[in-house]
Amino acid sequence: SQQGEEDPQALSIQEGENATMNCSYKTSINNLQWYRQNSGRGLVHLILIRSNEREKHSGRLRVTLDTSKKSSSLLITASRAADTASYFCATDPYDYKLSFGAGTTVTVRA
Amino acid sequence: NAGVTQTPKFRVLKTGQSMTLLCAQDMNHEYMYWYRQDPGMGLRLIHYSVGEGTTAKGEVPDGYNVSRLKKQNFLLGLESAAPSQTSVYFCASSSEREGGDEQYFGPGTRLTVT
Repeated sequence: SQQGEEDPQALSIQEGENATMNCSYKTSINNLQWYRQNSGRGLVHLILIRSNEREKHSGRLRVTLDTSKKSSSLLITASRAADTASYFCATDPYDYKLSFGAGTTVTVRA
Repeated sequence: NAGVTQTPKFRVLKTGQSMTLLCAQDMNHEYMYWYRQDPGMGLRLIHYSVGEGTTAKGEVPDGYNVSRLKKQNFLLGLESAAPSQTSVYFCASSSEREGGDEQYFGPGTRLTVT
């Protein structure tokens, strides 16, 4: 079963705007990871945030984790056309097996 | 480094035929995984391996078998293909770092069963 659930399912923004997507999950986790998938390609790892961390940054990406609410958010700042992709959160419930959500499809309009 | 590679990239099978998908990684990772991805859904874990010679069932193992005879290779077999197995298959690998680690994905195999 898919533990992580992303919201919204789809997002359309103008180039230069910020994009925010959320992930909710059900059980305790060791870490939460975000991945990007361009159309027809494999998944690419973006950020891993551990259960004892609250916020992490990587370039234009900012991830937050609230374990009390069992939720995470991914913020992409100053979006570019190349950010058009599907974004997935994946939870690791202490057993190295990731559980993926259905993803958020982001379209960045020029 | 090639990372994670998958063979073949595309395949069309008739119902009842068998095939093997090959995954290879050159990062010396202990853990390897097979997922399937269906339209509008995330990835679902089929089988996984925590080391050479070991395999375990994931979320959707029925109709598939796997083998990990060498650390760098993870094979996924379909003994008697069914239309419900039409999907995109991804292989991934990761290290056994304490606290978890990112997974590295292959480019995928698009399988159609008619």
